[in-house]
Amino acid sequence: RKEVEQDPGPFNVPEGATVAFNCTYSNSASQSFFWYRQDCRKEPKLLMSVYSSGNEDGRFTAQLNRASQYISLLIRDSKLSDSATYLCVVNRGSSNTGKLIFGQGTTLQVKP
Amino acid sequence: DADVTQTPRNRITKTGKRIMLECSQTKGHDRMYWYRQDPGLGLRLIYYSFDVKDINKGEISDGYSVSRQAQAKFSLSLESAIPNQTALYFCATSFYNEQFFGPGTRLTVL
Repeated sequence: RKEVEQDPGPFNVPEGATVAFNCTYSNSASQSFFWYRQDCRKEPKLLMSVYSSGNEDGRFTAQLNRASQYISLLIRDSKLSDSATYLCVVNRGSSNTGKLIFGQGTTLQVKP
Repeated sequence: DADVTQTPRNRITKTGKRIMLECSQTKGHDRMYWYRQDPGLGLRLIYYSFDVKDINKGEISDGYSVSRQAQAKFSLSLESAIPNQTALYFCATSFYNEQFFGPGTRLTVL
């Protein structure tokens, strides 16, 4: 079993749609969770951290369910510019190890 | 100017050649990392360093070596390149868990 598993993609959605990505992780000791965005052939960039209480940044909402070891990302009112690959990222082990595990990524294609 | 830079950005080389990829950062972070990314696979950690005197192997260190010349510089070497080392290589830095990536080096080994 992979340490971080994501929904298989690609997701093809029309502009304005709401889309949700899911991710599960296997290490119950993990403490830090992130969503990164990666454009084609570019470096990953932090989209948002994921907190236990859930957090929102504009059209983006991240949720964490520790009991189920599950993370989600919701994008509302999709824009063409949201087209990218979204990486679910979890730290390996407890606290501040600095070692991250990256999921394979889920590709989103927003169409006019 | 970019906070994390990598050189070269693209490189084509032949099997058996020695290659060095360089990474520099101006973020003042102690922690630096080297990853490779292959199509259909997530980023995989090659080596990481938490300070100048600290070097640690990641999950796929075989065939690679690193040097932490200074807080701001971390280089990755392929002593004898082979075709399955063809990949996109990223350097990253962090203070704690949030990592910041360089633009990547696309390496092709023929």
